[in-house]
Amino acid sequence: ETGVTQSPTHLIKTRGQQVTLRCSSQSGHNTVSWYQQALGQGPQFIFQYYREEENGRGNFPPRFSGLQFPNYSSELNVNALELDDSALYLCASSLMASGIHEQYFGPGTRLTVT
Amino acid sequence: DQQVKQNSPSLSVQEGRISILNCDYTNSMFDYFLWYKKYPAEGPTFLISISSIKDKNEDGRFTVFLNKSAKHLSLHIVPSQPGDSAVYFCAASNNAGNMLTFGGGTRLMVKP
Repeated sequence: ETGVTQSPTHLIKTRGQQVTLRCSSQSGHNTVSWYQQALGQGPQFIFQYYREEENGRGNFPPRFSGLQFPNYSSELNVNALELDDSALYLCASSLMASGIHEQYFGPGTRLTVT
Repeated sequence: DQQVKQNSPSLSVQEGRISILNCDYTNSMFDYFLWYKKYPAEGPTFLISISSIKDKNEDGRFTVFLNKSAKHLSLHIVPSQPGDSAVYFCAASNNAGNMLTFGGGTRLMVKP
């Protein structure tokens, strides 16, 4: 069974640039969620994708956007990067089914905005 | 406002003793609770969960207790091992199940 993978591992961008992060979900899972984890804090929910549609969004501005592909992999796009976007970005996959709440995380992408 | 809080940023325990990690929540709509463990440079790893219809769930050395009236849950690790040293996050979900709300984490150090 293949776990959740994310790429790249690390990324350095300049303020104002755009970035795309990628995630492959665990086999058998059909849902992908993205979280932002700032230093010293818990992960914060950005949004979730199910059946290639956004299925819930946290308190993040529209310059955070995403995609889910037919193979259930996903991308997180962030436009007009700000210094405060520097964080660990975590992708989690899960199975959309009644009573299932567990999400399984990838290793994350560390984004630094200078 | 923080809907899930872990008030102890760190905890130090001797190997073989019990570790008790605590978590409080404010949102009455939460009906499912999870604990994750995180090592440096890795993503959070799912440990154990509990539904609001239960007050206890056990899996090997890990037991989670839920007190709904107090809006409080705790994770007990018995016996604690040095490999348990990590940051532990509690998380909560409502019946939509699409987002997890995390606490700020507790760093557990198990001393040999």
